[in-house]
Order: sequence, then structure tokens, then C-alpha cells
Amino acid sequence: DAGITQSPRHKVTETGTPVTLRCHQTENHRYMYWYRQDPGHGLRLIHYSYGVKDTDKGEVSDGYSVSRSKTEDFLLTLESATSSQTSVYFCAISRTVGNTIYFGEGSWLTVV
Amino acid sequence: GIQVEQSPPDLILQEGANSTLRCNFSDSVNNLQWFHQNPWGQLINLFYIPSGTKQNGRLSATTVATERYSLLYISSSQTTDSGVYFCAVELNYGGATNKLIFGTGTLLAVQP
Repeated sequence: DAGITQSPRHKVTETGTPVTLRCHQTENHRYMYWYRQDPGHGLRLIHYSYGVKDTDKGEVSDGYSVSRSKTEDFLLTLESATSSQTSVYFCAISRTVGNTIYFGEGSWLTVV
Repeated sequence: GIQVEQSPPDLILQEGANSTLRCNFSDSVNNLQWFHQNPWGQLINLFYIPSGTKQNGRLSATTVATERYSLLYISSSQTTDSGVYFCAVELNYGGATNKLIFGTGTLLAVQP
């Protein structure tokens, strides 16, 4: 199993509060990704990183920001959580492009 | 945008039966991967297969990129094969990014 740890694994938060999800990898992979999974939509890319301090938007990036100050950590921040951001969030990593992608175990976020 | 369609959407099998899952995509791709999401939500990479055929135990996959489809074969199915199978592709825009677009999945239930 790829060494990917997501935290927290479960969180309930109130509308309007900031939330940060952390993805930590021990594989020294260059690429890291944040996806969200919702019924009827499958998995959709939020943001990804192709190196330290190098990030780019995915298809559903509105309302989210990311940071990567170290190879091993990729943070996803919801500046002001909304109910529409209730979802399961998956971190993923890959060594290079055109290569296998490995997923973390997911973080269940509920915004009430 | 690219369309990734998976069929069938749902499938029920008796243990020991064989099955074929299909993934059609609407544009040229340079990356295609198959994933299995188990009932606990964990996403496991099964195959990285932009073209050709690969086998791993009871599972095999074939991608015919020129005809824009991929097939996942499951032989002698077991109850542990239950879950959702996702196909994911990356568009071929001349530069690789590993930004995968996921299909909506095939829900497989294997009954003892």
C-alpha cells in the first residue's frame, strides 16, 4: 500500500467555518491531488500539485485553496465551508505523469 | 468536455461467474486507469493501461485507444470483488498532467 495518510478522517463543521484537510505521503512522489466524491458525480479533481509550491486548479476548484510547502504534505483548505462542500475528500499521489495514481483512505466532511 | 461512460451501471453476479465491464471515452487519451472502490470506500488502482492488454490474477484489462474503449474482465468472481469499478482517463492535449477524469462507475455485487 502506498504510504498516504489523510487527516482528519471524519469531521463535522458548521457553515462559515474554515476547514483544513491534510494529506501526508511517505513515498516522495512529485504529484499530489485532491479529489471529492459525491453521489451521481463520481470523483472530481479539485486541485493538484506538480511540485513544492507548484499547484494548479482542477475542474471544481471554487471555494478551495491548497498549499504545498514540503514534498510530503498537501493541504486543502475550505476558507468558509458551505453545505455544498459536504463530501468525501480523497488525496492521491503519483510518481510522475503518465503513471499509476494511488489514493488515500478518504476524509468524510459534513458541513451543517 | 470529454465524456467517460461506463456500462453496465449495475451488475449482480453469483460467485464464480465471469463478467466484462466497459469504458467508452469520447476523445483521444494518453492515460487510462481502472480502480476498484471496496464497500469501505477504499480506492485501489487495478491497472494503468493506456493501450494494450494486461493481466493480474483473475483480472485483466484491454484498451483499444484507436476505438476509444477499454474493457475490464473479472473471472471466477468472488464476494471480495464487490464494490464500484471506475475507469479514469486523461485527455491527450500534447502534454501529460495526470489530471484524470472519472466515469460514474459500475456497481458490482457478487453473491455467495
